[in-house]
Amino acid sequence: EVQLVESGGGLVQPGGSLRLSCAASGFTFSSYSMNWVRQAPGKGLEWVSYISSSSSTIYYADSVKGRFTISRDNAKNSLYLQMNSLRDEDTAVYYCARDQELSFFDYWGQGTLVTVSS
Amino acid sequence: DIQMTQSPSSVSASVGDRVTITCRASQGISSWLAWYQQKPGKAPKLLIYAASSLQSGVPSRFSGSGSGTDFTLTISSLQPEDFATYYCQQANSFPQTFGQGTKVEIK
Repeated sequence: EVQLVESGGGLVQPGGSLRLSCAASGFTFSSYSMNWVRQAPGKGLEWVSYISSSSSTIYYADSVKGRFTISRDNAKNSLYLQMNSLRDEDTAVYYCARDQELSFFDYWGQGTLVTVSS
Repeated sequence: DIQMTQSPSSVSASVGDRVTITCRASQGISSWLAWYQQKPGKAPKLLIYAASSLQSGVPSRFSGSGSGTDFTLTISSLQPEDFATYYCQQANSFPQTFGQGTKVEIK
């Protein structure tokens, strides 16, 4: 059974940093591209970042470019999102999502809440 | 960036009704479109990918159509478990973008 489990969310002050993790199991993690998608409270879905299976290709949404860094460790079956210079508007539930071969998101984690507030 | 516009924003319907949700892309995306269902407090679930392909395990009452800029999600006979918010997503190019969502409510 495919499982994605996020962790690392919490309350952080504006300007602070946080590192999210996503532990994958039930599939060959090293064969799949992965994504982070977020959802602000009561709002819609916003794609945040993409990383290819070998980490050779990475993309970011303009809203996080230069502040967030996506990475993965295929040996540990883990995906990460390093978030720096956090802003109020980064407050959201952050989901990791597996990238189906056609770039659609076929499996999602349960999400981890990041709250940026003073 | 490609903008995705869904309509309506919300729809009230009864069990057994046929429900249609549309999604329009600001430029052509061929068939690079997916539909997701999200229930409160839960992660989104992939229903339809490549505009019209049914994801494994999804009931056949869900169907998708369209290509280019105009797409449709149809629920042929609404069931109690289908009351949720539905999002379209384009995967034609980065940044991948979602529609604003359509909430299907009980009439």
